[in-house]
Amino acid sequence: DQQVKQNSPSLSVQEGRISILNCDYTNSMFDYFLWYKKYPAEGPTFLISISSIKDKNEDGRFTVFLNKSAKHLSLHIVPSQPGDSAVYFCSGSSNTGKLIFGQGTTLQVKP
Amino acid sequence: DAGVIQSPRHEVTEMGQEVTLRCKPISGHDYLFWYRQTMMRGLELLIYFNNNVPIDDSGMPEDRFSAKMPNASFSTLKIQPSEPRDSAVYFCASSPLDYTRYNEQFFGPGTRLTVL
Repeated sequence: DQQVKQNSPSLSVQEGRISILNCDYTNSMFDYFLWYKKYPAEGPTFLISISSIKDKNEDGRFTVFLNKSAKHLSLHIVPSQPGDSAVYFCSGSSNTGKLIFGQGTTLQVKP
Repeated sequence: DAGVIQSPRHEVTEMGQEVTLRCKPISGHDYLFWYRQTMMRGLELLIYFNNNVPIDDSGMPEDRFSAKMPNASFSTLKIQPSEPRDSAVYFCASSPLDYTRYNEQFFGPGTRLTVL
């Protein structure tokens, strides 16, 4: 039972353009969604979150959008930079204290 | 703070051998999580502890896997006997008990396990 799905294993964009990473979920009990970023040979690090009562959260070049009716969220990176090349994991959080992660999307930003 | 510490960083073993992965969480954190990362399934939660007590081990793949947390500063994940399909990167993460936040977890660097 894959409660969080990232259907695009990889994405390649040109430096300066927008990167859009998508995530779908099935669990209606999630009250927060978190995006993590992972570089090779390192552990994932927290990037940005959004509460289920909001539809948008922005932090610098990163914006997360939430569409509850569609059970869909997306991460926008504008403008994309080569240093953004990494694996991005979407996750859902409920009051149990645990996170459920998706499979990850590998983003490559080409100079 | 040194962050979450995991050892070893790399482990190569032969099928049938026992493997023990170790984790030191961030001091003061109440939750500890063990994950496995594979290409097919991404980051899978194996087990998590709250105040050293196992809360949910439903992600542990089979009886060959076991985890312990004897105190607030140490946890182990053991695989016995190991099999080639256990080859993956294993992460430990910890988080504070803070109902006002969104359960942000802090990850260690991971242990890359290869079972030949």
